[in-house]
Amino acid sequence: AQKITQTQPGMFVQEKEAVTLDCTYDTSDPSYGLFWYKQPSSGEMIFLIYQGSYDQQNATEGRYSLNFQKARKSANLVISASQLGDSAMYFCAMRASYGNNRLAFGKGNQVVVIP
Amino acid sequence: DGGITQSPKYLFRKEGQNVTLSCEQNLNHDAMYWYRQDPGQGLRLIYYSQIVNDFQKGDIAEGYSVSREKKESFPLTVTSAQKNPTAFYLCASRVGGLDTGELFFGEGSRLTVL
Repeated sequence: AQKITQTQPGMFVQEKEAVTLDCTYDTSDPSYGLFWYKQPSSGEMIFLIYQGSYDQQNATEGRYSLNFQKARKSANLVISASQLGDSAMYFCAMRASYGNNRLAFGKGNQVVVIP
Repeated sequence: DGGITQSPKYLFRKEGQNVTLSCEQNLNHDAMYWYRQDPGQGLRLIYYSQIVNDFQKGDIAEGYSVSREKKESFPLTVTSAQKNPTAFYLCASRVGGLDTGELFFGEGSRLTVL
C-alpha cells in the first residue's frame, strides 16, 4: 500500500523568501512517480511538479523545485521567492506503476505568504 | 478551451435523496477519477475508470456509484447509502498509459446535506 505523510503545521512565509514543504512516502514498488499540487482557496487543484523514481536529477519548474532523497523516501517541495499568490494548500501525491496507477494524496500543508 | 467541467458547483440535498454530480472532459483523456475531500484532509479516491464501460472502486466507494458510457463523461451518484456525504468532490482525468500522468482537475462540486 502507498502512504504519503505531510505533517507540518500551517506556515507563514515572508514574501520573497523561500519555503520548504516536507513530504515523506512509503511504497514497496520500485517504480513510482511523485507529484505536488497547489490548491488555492477557490478549490481547484493545480499541478506543480513531477519527479520519477528513476530520475537522476531533481525536478525543477520555474520557482518550484523538488528535493528528492530516494533513500530517505522524501520528496520535499521548495518554493523560491515566495509571492502572495502562493498562499494555498499544497499536496504531495504518489503514483506507483504497479497495479492501476492510482494517485494517493497526503493531507496537505497550508502556506500563507505575508507581505 | 480544453478542460474538465464539473456541475453543479454547489449542491444541497436532503437526507435520503440521491444526487448526481456531472463531470465532462474534452481533453480526450482515457482515464477519469472521482475524489472526495473533507476539511483539512487530503483527497480520497472514490472511483476511477481507465477506459469506457469499465470502472473500479477506489478506497471509499461505499455509498457511491458511477458510469462511463462515453469517454468524455464520468458522472458520480451519491446515494442515500452514503452515511456522511457532505464534502467537496473533485473530478480528474489523465492521459492513459505509463507517462508522467499528472491529473487534470475540475473546479469541484461542494455537496451539503441538510
